[in-house]
Amino acid sequence: DGGITQSPKYLFRKEGQNVTLSCEQNLNHDAMYWYRQDPGQGLRLIYYSQIVNDFQKGDIAEGYSVSREKKESFPLTVTSAQKNPTAFYLCASSFRLGQGRNQPQHFGDGTRLSIL
Amino acid sequence: AQKITQTQPGMFVQEKEAVTLDCTYDTSDQSYGLFWYKQPSSGEMIFLIYQGSYDEQNATEGRYSLNFQKARKSANLVISASQLGDSAMYFCAMRTNNQGGKLIFGQGTELSVKP
Repeated sequence: DGGITQSPKYLFRKEGQNVTLSCEQNLNHDAMYWYRQDPGQGLRLIYYSQIVNDFQKGDIAEGYSVSREKKESFPLTVTSAQKNPTAFYLCASSFRLGQGRNQPQHFGDGTRLSIL
Repeated sequence: AQKITQTQPGMFVQEKEAVTLDCTYDTSDQSYGLFWYKQPSSGEMIFLIYQGSYDEQNATEGRYSLNFQKARKSANLVISASQLGDSAMYFCAMRTNNQGGKLIFGQGTELSVKP
């Protein structure tokens, strides 16, 4: 079955440490997104990518970095510069905007990140 | 500024009854898309229904329907014949024409279905 796989499900970060969250999709989507969700809140965009080897900052990119070396993969690194990383991180993918406005974004199951 | 507002933090509904979850939006774009997602306690976001700004008819998907009132900028989700498995957070979202078509989310409504 096609879908989005995020790993790990739970992640703990020590102070000063960088951690990387994995996101893989086999839906043949060009566009991929990372969102952050804080308790009781909606989702906010961290980074997005519409094509391989290209990505753009979203609304809350400070303290995060990404890469897009393959169409299927869009890993997110939470750096030590992100002072409040505890949150639920969701990866999504979709067709690019021009390919179908009615196409929903499909989401992975998320990664819960906490500080030790 | 583009914004989604969900004014009901929590809702209760009796099993088998219908419930309406409110969503209003703000945008200056003429073309946009509105989505509803369900988030169970396990965390995944499940796509429920879509409404395009140029769609003349309200969207329906099984027990879900969308009451779209463009002039009022509202896109309320109606769930008919509620089931216990409908208990979850529900998010209204708008797809923008910038930032790669990102979704702007509301704060969500927590729906509890009572037996």
